[in-house]
Amino acid sequence: DAGITQSPRHKVTETGTPVTLRCHQTENHRYMYWYRQDPGHGLRLIHYSYGVKDTDKGEVSDGYSVSRSKTEDFLLTLESATSSQTSVYFCAISEAGTGNLYGYTFGSGTRLTVV
Amino acid sequence: SQQGEEDPQALSIQEGENATMNCSYKTSINNLQWYRQNSGRGLVHLILIRSNEREKHSGRLRVTLDTSKKSSSLLITASRAADTASYFCATRGGGANSKLTFGKGITLSVRP
Repeated sequence: DAGITQSPRHKVTETGTPVTLRCHQTENHRYMYWYRQDPGHGLRLIHYSYGVKDTDKGEVSDGYSVSRSKTEDFLLTLESATSSQTSVYFCAISEAGTGNLYGYTFGSGTRLTVV
Repeated sequence: SQQGEEDPQALSIQEGENATMNCSYKTSINNLQWYRQNSGRGLVHLILIRSNEREKHSGRLRVTLDTSKKSSSLLITASRAADTASYFCATRGGGANSKLTFGKGITLSVRP
């Protein structure tokens, strides 16, 4: 999607290894989010950021950490990957201030498989 | 926990027919949004309706909001095969740092 890219698009990793997913935006939006999407659960918020170095937990944050050292990058790290973290991960961005008037812009997703 | 619950879970219609999808939610909201997701892609924002609005239109889309019933509906008129996708409602509470909470989605199939 224009203005937001996720990398990698696909990844297979082994149980117990750390994994980092990257979200990069060129829109200079203040807010960034990480969601996971699983069949039967829809999208669930993992972590979000409301500014550089300002992050907070979502509803399914256990086993995940995030960092935001620059406005444009939001990293999601699985500290020790487990099979239950096999999922499709989406990053989203929204504008500050006008966030209540506009929706989120989503990346194309990262399909992560933990074997 | 999901705030929005869509209904039905799946819908199959013929091209040219109208598609109506419903969403119910539990707590007070600032706005409600609908998104579309094509297979293998990210979500795309379709329309946003604020809590003080009752109806909104965008092209072939019409969304209504009834805050007394905590429900919304999305109507797609004159559906096309290209409308085949999953549709999600999402609610946003008050506060500058409030986040969107998504439902589980509705799978719409439009038969040519």
